[in-house]
Parts: sequence; C-alpha cells; structure tokens
Amino acid sequence: DGGITQSPKYLFRKEGQNVTLSCEQNLNHDAMYWYRQDPGQGLRLIYYSQIVNDFQKGDIAEGYSVSREKKESFPLTVTSAQKNPTAFYLCATRGYGYTFGSGTRLTVV
Amino acid sequence: GQNIDQPTEMTATEGAIVQINCTYQTSGFNGLFWYQQHAGEAPTFLSYNVLDGLEEKGRFSSFLSRSKGYSYLLLKELQMKDSASYLCALLMDSNYQLIWGAGTKLIIKP
Repeated sequence: DGGITQSPKYLFRKEGQNVTLSCEQNLNHDAMYWYRQDPGQGLRLIYYSQIVNDFQKGDIAEGYSVSREKKESFPLTVTSAQKNPTAFYLCATRGYGYTFGSGTRLTVV
Repeated sequence: GQNIDQPTEMTATEGAIVQINCTYQTSGFNGLFWYQQHAGEAPTFLSYNVLDGLEEKGRFSSFLSRSKGYSYLLLKELQMKDSASYLCALLMDSNYQLIWGAGTKLIIKP
C-alpha cells in the first residue's frame, strides 16, 4: 500500500543536540512538507520541497534544516539552534490532496 | 491576513448532530479542507469544498460560502469514535500551501 512512513514515533533530545526525523513516501508525489503542531495551535509549515534537490523555507524554518536528495525521502534535522523543539512533527505529501505520516513526538530532556 | 477561526472545544451527545464552524478572512484560495485528527495521530482527510454549497459524505457533510467567509462541518448520528479534533484549512491559490485553523476538539458524551 502507498503511504508515508515517519520514524521514530517518539524521540528524546538532550540540550544542544541535533536530531533527525525521517520521512519516507512511496506515493510518487513530488511535493513534500514538514509541519510542527503545538497544543491549541494550527499546523505551522517548517519547510517544503516541490521537487528533488530543491526546498523552501516555511513560516518557522529557524533552527531546522532539510534535504531532498531523493524523491522518496525528506528528512528534517532539528538543530541546537531551535530553542523550543518539543512538539509533534508531521510530514505530508501533496497529490490530489494532502496525505500525512503518523508523526514524530519530539521531547527535550 | 488569512486568519482562520474555529471554536476551541465543543461537547455533544452520542447519537446527536453537531456543527463545527470555520470562519476566515482571506481571498484567493482554491478550496477548503476538513481533516479529522485523533490525539497523537496524523490528520485524516474528510472533505474538500471548492464550490459554494453542501457536500454530503455519509454521516459527515461540509458546507462552504465564499461570500460569507464561512464553512461548517456537520456530523450526524455521533459515535464515541468521533471524539477528535477537527481542522479546517485553506488551500491558497498563490502557492498551493495550506493555511490551518487551530482545530476544534470535539468531545462526545454517552
């Protein structure tokens, strides 16, 4: 079945540490997105990519980085520059509509 | 601006009907999405309205009025499993990005 796989489901980060969230899709969609979700707020766009080897900053890109070396993969790195990284992170692709992965919950310890 | 407003929380009774509203102040959008999100899970697609009017899909219906800047999601014959957050989002014409409301948490009581 086609879909989006995000891993890990839960991730703990120490202060000052970089961590990378994985997002893999087999839907053959060109466009991929990373969103952050905090309690009581709508999804906020971190980065998006319309095509391989190209990506654009979203509304809250500071402290994050991405790469798009393959169509199937769009990993997100949360760097130590992101001061408040505890949140639920969602990866999505756009075909006819938007399809979401199951999310990664990141917690700073 | 593109403010999208939804009530924060609503409570309804099993078997009843509930209407969740979404209002916005923007122009230049392609259509409006409704998604359902259970706690700790990914949003799942419910409906997409491009034209004004009511779209019915089983127990769920969605309505859009562009002139009034207003949409609603109507849930009938509520079941306990309908307890979730309901998110509305606009698909912008300019860049095909989604602008999200904060979501409405729906609590179903027996």
